[in-house]
Amino acid sequence: GESVGLHLPTLSVQEGDNSIINCAYSNSASDYFIWYKQESGKGPQFIIDIRSNMDKRQGQRVTVLLNKTVKHLSLQIAATQPGDSAVYFCAENPNQAGTALIFGKGTTLSVSS
Amino acid sequence: NAGVTQTPKFQVLKTGQSMTLQCAQDMNHNSMYWYRQDPGMGLRLIYYSASEGTTDKGEVPNGYNVSRLNKREFSLRLESAAPSQTSVYFCASSPRGGSHSNQPQHFGDGTRLSIL
Repeated sequence: GESVGLHLPTLSVQEGDNSIINCAYSNSASDYFIWYKQESGKGPQFIIDIRSNMDKRQGQRVTVLLNKTVKHLSLQIAATQPGDSAVYFCAENPNQAGTALIFGKGTTLSVSS
Repeated sequence: NAGVTQTPKFQVLKTGQSMTLQCAQDMNHNSMYWYRQDPGMGLRLIYYSASEGTTDKGEVPNGYNVSRLNKREFSLRLESAAPSQTSVYFCASSPRGGSHSNQPQHFGDGTRLSIL
């Protein structure tokens, strides 16, 4: 079946470092991708999205990169802060009738000060 | 500015009991979704409603039913709860769903359900 996965289940960084969280997707027809942040006890929170006609999109301290050739998505967080500690999910829209977003399993980011 | 509101936040049931999880959104969104989240499994779609009056099965619909009561509300019902349905349940909404909807979903904070 088609799925969205993340390369690493956990990532530990020092405060102030840049973080890179990776995601591989399997559906070549997917045309829209989202990154979510989930803090303990809360629902997923939208961070940033990107459409398949783009390679890069920047937000506040975050950048999403899309490589359609190898079906790879990454989230870069600049100057990581303790408040960035959370689980990060990527999601894809497989662009198929009768389906909704498909979510990956998540990467837990731990930021130590 | 509530967004997506889910009730209750926590619930413990006995096997065989029934329960309805409530979800309401105040963003005038057309599409609503129910997911379950289990450790190591990510979010899995149970049912969704692309628009008022329609509902469709997702990846894991067995043991559940849904009702799109109106544009704001989308409920999830467990008719006869089983221990395998112990999970955290999330409701989400988006302006427009379906295969060509490139829009993010907005989530509630979940209902933590334990079935003994």
